Amino acid sequence: DAGITQSPRHKVTETGTPVTLRCHQTENHRYMYWYRQDPGHGLRLIHYSYGVKDTDKGEVSDGYSVSRSKTEDFLLTLESATSSQTSVYFCAVKGSPSPDTQYFGPGTRLTVL
Amino acid sequence: ELKVEQNPLFLSMQEGKNYTIYCNYSTTSDRLYWYRQDPGKSLESLFVLLSNGAVKQEGRLMASLDTKARLSTLHITAAVHDLSATYFCAVDWSFGNEKLTFGTGTRLTIIP
Repeated sequence: DAGITQSPRHKVTETGTPVTLRCHQTENHRYMYWYRQDPGHGLRLIHYSYGVKDTDKGEVSDGYSVSRSKTEDFLLTLESATSSQTSVYFCAVKGSPSPDTQYFGPGTRLTVL
Repeated sequence: ELKVEQNPLFLSMQEGKNYTIYCNYSTTSDRLYWYRQDPGKSLESLFVLLSNGAVKQEGRLMASLDTKARLSTLHITAAVHDLSATYFCAVDWSFGNEKLTFGTGTRLTIIP
């Protein structure tokens, strides 16, 4: 599983509240990614990081921010959650066992009411 | 905008049969990935294809890449029930920076 954990695994929140999802990895991977998965869309990249404090936007970054102050943690924040952000969120890392492959965490199911 | 299209979107096939899933993409890339996802689970890496003409095989699954045609195929040989899952292809459009665009997936059901 490439040493990836996500927390929380499930969360229900209300529209307008801030939400932070955490991705934690134990294998010192440089690259980390946040995706969301919705029916009919596959997975879509939200943000990614190529090192501590180095982040960039993906294709669906509006309404999301990220931070990476330590190698092992990549945080995704929904500043003011909306119902359209109800989704399953996956964190991924690039690295071992294959250096060319992204490996995915277990996912967080977020419901915004 | 990069588009990645998979077909079919749904596939129901009998055990023992052969079939192919197609992944077409709209821009230049020489890196393509195949993943498997079981219901309610995360994604599992199957294959990484890094050059034109690349072919990888694992068990009953074989993947190939034709960068000139912008096409990858995932071939299933003598299907078994355990292969039932959703299969995704993903294209790296950022020339090694690993910004992936995923297809919408092919839900494969193997019928005994």
